[in-house]
Amino acid sequence: ELKVEQNPLFLSMQEGKNYTIYCNYSTTSDRLYWYRQDPGKSLESLFVLLSNGAVKQEGRLMASLDTKARLSTLHITAAVHDLSATYFCAVKSGGSNYKLTFGKGTLLTVNP
Amino acid sequence: DTEVTQTPKHLVMGMTNKKSLKCEQHMGHRAMYWYKQKAKKPPELMFVYSYEKLSINESVPSRFSPECPNSSLLNLHLHALQPEDSALYLCASSHERTRTGSYEQYFGPGTRLTVT
Repeated sequence: ELKVEQNPLFLSMQEGKNYTIYCNYSTTSDRLYWYRQDPGKSLESLFVLLSNGAVKQEGRLMASLDTKARLSTLHITAAVHDLSATYFCAVKSGGSNYKLTFGKGTLLTVNP
Repeated sequence: DTEVTQTPKHLVMGMTNKKSLKCEQHMGHRAMYWYKQKAKKPPELMFVYSYEKLSINESVPSRFSPECPNSSLLNLHLHALQPEDSALYLCASSHERTRTGSYEQYFGPGTRLTVT
């Protein structure tokens, strides 16, 4: 059974600082997603990573995938308050194109 | 149009009521999903429809009954729910096949359900 572990689960950081969220998964998968969720809102797709070594960047966020290490990272550069949200990674499960196993989420709070 | 819409936004129902949640998308996606999300938890997959046929049922209790009347619409019929069914219900859609193989899921805003 696929297990997806995110850490940290809670992250409080100051504006202007850099930090990384880690997503480890237990079995081979060829697809990994990062989502953002604001309180009481839906999930917004941030990145889709499909191959080993994939790196994608959008604004202050950069995601990467190492399929050999079964690890994805979400790097935050020079954090701003607007980035405060919960971030989930999700990994394609087994042979289904539809099933995703989500991590528990990282609650990010950016303080002035 | 890259939007998934859901109605109603909020729903309060008693344990003996019957109600339905509705989801609609016009992106030409042929896979549609229902998720349940409890507070401070990740979404849990309930059902997947592919080409209007039920493809995945994650052992969901029969008091939840999905329906896909056409490729744009997805309903979730609710009957005799329990208070522990209170949650945010999210609909999502994706392409059934893509050139890149991403199967990226687009989520609707959700229905906040409270069972009293």
